[in-house]
Amino acid sequence: AQTVTQSQPEMSVQEAETVTLSCTYDTSESDYYLFWYKQPPSRQMILVIRQEAYKQQNATENRFSVNFQKAAKSFSLKISDSQLGDAAMYFCAYRYGSSNTGKLIFGQGTTLQVKP
Amino acid sequence: ETGVTQSPTHLIKTRGQQVTLRCSSQSGHNTVSWYQQALGQGPQFIFQYYREEENGRGNFPPRFSGLQFPNYSSELNVNALELDDSALYLCASSPGQGPKQFFGPGTRLTVL
Repeated sequence: AQTVTQSQPEMSVQEAETVTLSCTYDTSESDYYLFWYKQPPSRQMILVIRQEAYKQQNATENRFSVNFQKAAKSFSLKISDSQLGDAAMYFCAYRYGSSNTGKLIFGQGTTLQVKP
Repeated sequence: ETGVTQSPTHLIKTRGQQVTLRCSSQSGHNTVSWYQQALGQGPQFIFQYYREEENGRGNFPPRFSGLQFPNYSSELNVNALELDDSALYLCASSPGQGPKQFFGPGTRLTVL
């Protein structure tokens, strides 16, 4: 069974600095997607970034980028130039690529605090 | 374009009661997934509906059931509520079987 592990329950970063959130996963599949979702206090889950396993290039979305290490089954999120609005809970998630259920498997989450 | 909406925002029930939660999918999305998120935890997949048929189910008992309507909105029904059912229930919609899921704001259920 696929599992997703986030080993950092809480992280903090100074405004304008860079922070990296860690995620590891376990799967025997070769075709899958990995995601980072942000959940602010408003509770709505917002997609931050997505990575397809077949792509070697790391995904980037503005200040957000990932370090995807397929062999190591590692998928970390780097937030550059952190802003107060980045404070939220961040979830790493896995989806089997060929699945017709679209089931997302989430990690336990990392709470990010941004200090002014 | 209207996003995913859920109702109600909050509700309180007592153990043994039944509850219905509602979700309106984003325009053009025919797939709806439901997740349960306990406090301080990641969401857990309950089930998914695609074109009005259940299309995958997580490790939840049969007292969790659902429905999808022709307009692709969906309901989650929970019978015989237990204290452990207290959680945030999230609905997510997607266009077909694509990897992107768009989440609603959730319904906070408290069971006393």
